Amino acid sequence: DGGITQSPKYLFRKEGQNVTLSCEQNLNHDAMYWYRQDPGQGLRLIYYSQIVNDFQKGDIAEGYSVSREKKESFPLTVTSAQKNPTAFYLCASSVGLAGYNEQFFGPGTRLTVL
Amino acid sequence: DAKTTQPNSMESNEEEPVHLPCNHSTISGTDYIHWYRQLPSQGPEYVIHGLTSNVNNRMASLAIAEDRKSSTLILHRATLRDAAVYYCTRKGNAGNMLTFGGGTRLMVKP
Repeated sequence: DGGITQSPKYLFRKEGQNVTLSCEQNLNHDAMYWYRQDPGQGLRLIYYSQIVNDFQKGDIAEGYSVSREKKESFPLTVTSAQKNPTAFYLCASSVGLAGYNEQFFGPGTRLTVL
Repeated sequence: DAKTTQPNSMESNEEEPVHLPCNHSTISGTDYIHWYRQLPSQGPEYVIHGLTSNVNNRMASLAIAEDRKSSTLILHRATLRDAAVYYCTRKGNAGNMLTFGGGTRLMVKP
């Protein structure tokens, strides 16, 4: 089954701790994305990557970091510098960055910082 | 301003057509219009996209205004499973997906 997996589904962390969210895809897509969603709100882009070892900041990159060492994997680290990290985090991928490429989303990770 | 604007909510009866509007008055000539839908606590699901011409697929139809400043997602026969938040967004060839707005919450009555 091809798709995007995110783990874990729920994550709890203490304030001040860094935490890394996993995102893996077996769709052979070049482009990958991370979004944040707050309750009742739309999605906001955190980071995106067009290809291995390359990534770009989105609209709300402060307090987050990413890496893209393998085509299949795009982990997101929420650092202690992120002021309000509690949110629903969504990973997505697409064949490429072109406007006609639709995005495929994972099931999401709900992060709660206590 | 790169935003799209949509009504907060709409209601439909089951098995009736639904027309979900979206305004994107500042769209550039190369931006594609994309629609996604999201169920609670799930990732969004792709619905349809288009550039200038109207588009049809197994899920829905997309009607794009001639000036491209607005579009309408058409669900031909709403079912209870179509109840979701529908997002209209724009995607250019330069790279990242533009920010999703608040979307339209579609409620379907049996």
